[in-house]
Amino acid sequence: KAGVTQTPRYLIKTRGQQVTLSCSPISGHRSVSWYQQTPGQGLQFLFEYFSETQRNKGNFPGRFSGRQFSNSRSEMNVSTLELGDSALYLCASSLEASFLAKNIQYFGAGTRLSVL
Amino acid sequence: AQSVSQHNHHVILSEAASLELGCNYSYGGTVNLFWYVQYPGQHLQLLLKYFSGDPLVKGIKGFEAEFIKSKFSFNLRKPSVQWSDTAEYFCAVNDVQAQLWSRNLTGGGNKLTFGTGTQLKVEL
Repeated sequence: KAGVTQTPRYLIKTRGQQVTLSCSPISGHRSVSWYQQTPGQGLQFLFEYFSETQRNKGNFPGRFSGRQFSNSRSEMNVSTLELGDSALYLCASSLEASFLAKNIQYFGAGTRLSVL
Repeated sequence: AQSVSQHNHHVILSEAASLELGCNYSYGGTVNLFWYVQYPGQHLQLLLKYFSGDPLVKGIKGFEAEFIKSKFSFNLRKPSVQWSDTAEYFCAVNDVQAQLWSRNLTGGGNKLTFGTGTQLKVEL
């Protein structure tokens, strides 16, 4: 079974531009979460999507947004890029998003975004 | 909000030494606990997990962790480390109780709060 696939692996953008990152979850997984990893702040939760709906949101500005499609694939978008947005963006998928489910998140390799 | 503390940021050990990495989370309730490992150049991989039941859980590659609810701790241990264990280790908490409350019993949630990570280097 293929793992979580993130594209592209690397991106270079300039300040003010916008960027879209893509994530394909493990087949059958319905929950997709996004995290930002930086040396200074570590791993921080951005948002989670389940059944095309945002179920959880972290403390990031509105420039960060996402969506999920009917096939569970997800995209995240960052508008008006700032230098501080340079990071590794990780996507994780999980089989279910039920409170009673023993959810395990499986991570992709990430997209490394550099903002110049 | 939930927070996770990993007390050791950098650990250097010789092969065959024993390992214990500390992890504490900020408050109780129903939580799911995880240790993830990130080997150099690789993606985050699940090492072990705790949902309920026996507080001593075993994971891959000889790792184990003990959940002590009264101390809000989930420490990672390995009796004898190998050079190949050189990696960064992350403790993570899924505070399912808080997510349940915040969403008016609609349930669900995969919001992981991570510790800052511990960089382990094992020397030959």
